[in-house]
Amino acid sequence: NAGVMQNPRHLVRRRGQEARLRCSPMKGHSHVYWYRQLPEEGLKFMVYLQKENIIDESGMPKERFSAEFPKEGPSILRIQQVVRGDSAAYFCASRGQNLNTEAFFGQGTRLTVV
Amino acid sequence: DQQVKQNSPSLSVQEGRISILNCDYTNSMFDYFLWYKKYPAEGPTFLISISSIKDKNEDGRFTVFLNKSAKHLSLHIVPSQPGDSAVYFCAASKAGTALIFGKGTTLSVSS
Repeated sequence: NAGVMQNPRHLVRRRGQEARLRCSPMKGHSHVYWYRQLPEEGLKFMVYLQKENIIDESGMPKERFSAEFPKEGPSILRIQQVVRGDSAAYFCASRGQNLNTEAFFGQGTRLTVV
Repeated sequence: DQQVKQNSPSLSVQEGRISILNCDYTNSMFDYFLWYKKYPAEGPTFLISISSIKDKNEDGRFTVFLNKSAKHLSLHIVPSQPGDSAVYFCAASKAGTALIFGKGTTLSVSS
């Protein structure tokens, strides 16, 4: 049973470009969460999605950031017109139907904006 | 507003001794608590969890204690091993919502 898969592991973008981060949850998991870790900081919640639905996006910046989890395919976190402050590690986690269980994390995508 | 707080950024312990990592929370609606361990350049890995209906959960060298009245939980590692050196994150959730994490405590276990 493959774990949570994130790609790419490393992504370099110039200021103003778009960044697309992908997350395939564990098999059978339909709940996906995105977190951001800035240098020397903890894991900050961004968005919680189920298939085709955004459940909670209270942690998502209002502009330039969007997320989706389509019926088929991975969840995508999209950052438009990236700025240097977007440089961080972005982690995806997934959970099964029983929501009082642990979430499993991917290895993360390290985004560097130059 | 930080709902989950880990007030000690770092902890140093000698091999074989007990490590105690602490975590406080402010939201009384949280009903599920977890500890994760994280190595550099890797994703967090789940260690142990506890439901709000319990006050203790044990798994090998790891024990989590929950004090609901104080809104406090702690992770005990005994005996500590050098391989335990990592960043430990406390997390909490309510009724199936997203996990809310603290800022982490860096544990260093020296041999």
